[in-house]
Amino acid sequence: QKEVEQDPGPLSVPEGAIVSLNCTYSNSAFQYFMWYRQYSRKGPELLMYTYSSGNKEDGRFTAQVDKSSKYISLFIRDSQPSDSATYLCAMSSNDYKLSFGAGTTVTVRA
Amino acid sequence: KAGVTQTPRYLIKTRGQQVTLSCSPISGHRSVSWYQQTPGQGLQFLFEYFSETQRNKGNFPGRFSGRQFSNSRSEMNVSTLELGDSALYLCASSQGLTPGNGYTFGSGTRLTVV
Repeated sequence: QKEVEQDPGPLSVPEGAIVSLNCTYSNSAFQYFMWYRQYSRKGPELLMYTYSSGNKEDGRFTAQVDKSSKYISLFIRDSQPSDSATYLCAMSSNDYKLSFGAGTTVTVRA
Repeated sequence: KAGVTQTPRYLIKTRGQQVTLSCSPISGHRSVSWYQQTPGQGLQFLFEYFSETQRNKGNFPGRFSGRQFSNSRSEMNVSTLELGDSALYLCASSQGLTPGNGYTFGSGTRLTVV
């Protein structure tokens, strides 16, 4: 079993819909939680960064962390075709090593 | 400001050869991390350097090595290349003060081993 589990999708939604992504993990030492977006032929781009449990909102993006359930989520409101990309969850303890999920490929249809 | 620069962008090497990849971090960033990305295994951590010291290393064989220079630029070396080393190699730079925070990735070096 992988340390971080993420459904690879693909996920296809119409423009304007809410995109819901999630990851589960097994390592209770993880304290730092991130969501990255990766376009084809590009490196991952940091979208959201959260320390410990709780919610964080930034524009159309909301990240949620539930450490008791070892579950993190990312919601994208009012999705746009430009949001079509692969979304990767990542997490870390204090060791400066990121453990990534497999990534979910999202397509937003115009 | 300039982003993370990785050179070269593409490489084709033969089995048994060695290769050196370069990463220039964002100015002021003292940490550089390296990751391997493949379709089967996803993104896997190779190593992380902060102020020329390796702080952590992933579960890769000793053929994979790296270093960081006093100007924070970093190189990684893979010796005795195998077909399975074909991957996108990504580096990320940050100030290195909080795990995962402020990481900026480069566009990667695509290595093909034939």
